[in-house]
Amino acid sequence: KQEVTQIPAALSVPEGENLVLNCSFTDSAIYNLQWFRQDPGKGLTSLLLIQSSQREQTSGRLNASLDKSSGRSTLYIAASQPGDSATYLCAVRHEENGNQFYFGTGTSLTVIP
Amino acid sequence: NAGVTQTPKFQVLKTGQSMTLQCAQDMNHEYMSWYRQDPGMGLRLIHYSVGAGITDQGEVPNGYNVSRSTTEDFPLRLLSAAPSQTSVYFCASSLGQGAGNEQFFGPGTRLTVL
Repeated sequence: KQEVTQIPAALSVPEGENLVLNCSFTDSAIYNLQWFRQDPGKGLTSLLLIQSSQREQTSGRLNASLDKSSGRSTLYIAASQPGDSATYLCAVRHEENGNQFYFGTGTSLTVIP
Repeated sequence: NAGVTQTPKFQVLKTGQSMTLQCAQDMNHEYMSWYRQDPGMGLRLIHYSVGAGITDQGEVPNGYNVSRSTTEDFPLRLLSAAPSQTSVYFCASSLGQGAGNEQFFGPGTRLTVL
């Protein structure tokens, strides 16, 4: 069974810092990987989706990379702001069963003004 | 577009009661799914549907039923609620099953079973 791990579980940084969130998965046979943001008590907001054939995707201050063979993805946030404080989740879509998604437990980010 | 909507936002049930969580999307998405989110366990797939009339089980289907009579709606039924079903439930949809299709999530239903 696919296992998705996100380390660290929590991260606190001063405003303005660049930071990297990590996501690792045990089975490299994935269809795609998606990064989400979740604010307390809210649903998930899609940030970036990387297809298995792609190496990275960018949106504004966010850049996500994918190394499928090593089972890793990183989410880079440039010039962090207090509004970036949230929990960040990654999810992989399994290649063998494209209807099965597996989520990590998330990294809780706090950006200190 | 309203996106993915869920009702109710909060619900308290007694053990043994049944109820239906509603989910609707107005994006003409073929794929819809239900997840539960529990502390320390991440989101887990309960049931999913690849189109009207087609449903299948996910990772944790026991105690839940689904049906998909229209493209827009995908209700989740709890047959006989148990305290272990206390959780936050999310509905999601995507255009299809292709690798380029993002999942979009509803705001969630927080369910407590006493």
